Amino acid sequence: QKEVEQDPGPLSVPEGAIVSLNCTYSNSAFQYFMWYRQYSRKGPELLMYTYSSGNKEDGRFTAQVDKSSKYISLFIRDSQPSDSATYLCAIDGEYGNKLVFGAGTILRVKS
Amino acid sequence: SQTIHQWPATLVQPVGSPLSLECTVEGTSNPNLYWYRQAAGRGLQLLFYSVGIGQISSEVPQNLSASRPQDRQFILSSKKLLLSDSGFYLCAAVTGHTEAFFGQGTRLTVV
Repeated sequence: QKEVEQDPGPLSVPEGAIVSLNCTYSNSAFQYFMWYRQYSRKGPELLMYTYSSGNKEDGRFTAQVDKSSKYISLFIRDSQPSDSATYLCAIDGEYGNKLVFGAGTILRVKS
Repeated sequence: SQTIHQWPATLVQPVGSPLSLECTVEGTSNPNLYWYRQAAGRGLQLLFYSVGIGQISSEVPQNLSASRPQDRQFILSSKKLLLSDSGFYLCAAVTGHTEAFFGQGTRLTVV
């Protein structure tokens, strides 16, 4: 079983839609959960960062962690064409020795 | 703030030739360093990570090797490239449990 599972998509939505991106993970010891956004031919950039369970909101983006289900989500409200990118979840174990990334979901927002 | 310098941006190499990709980090000390490879339309595959000078962990058996001769320098190498080594190579640095900073990547094409 992979440490982090993420549906690669692509996910295609119309402009203004609510987008839900998800990852599952296998190791209950993971404590730090991150979402990265990667535009084509660029390195990933941190979008959201959460510790343990709960929600975190930043503008149109909401990150949600459910440790009981080992499930993390990223919601994008009022999606824009500029949100079109690959979104990668990442998980950092307690001692931060190895950052584990999901496969990344390709998102396309059509105007 | 942290800056990751990665070069070259693009590289075309013949099969059987050697490879050396360099990554240097500015703005932090004692980072964990990572080399990732990303195939077209795919997520990040962890190749190597390092928690200190001379300490290298390999995630997948392959034709590549890594070295960390200095705290903020991480090198990816190969003695003889294979066609399957083509891809987008990313270097990342993480300090503590803060975000990972990525270089802009090297697009390697083996011909």
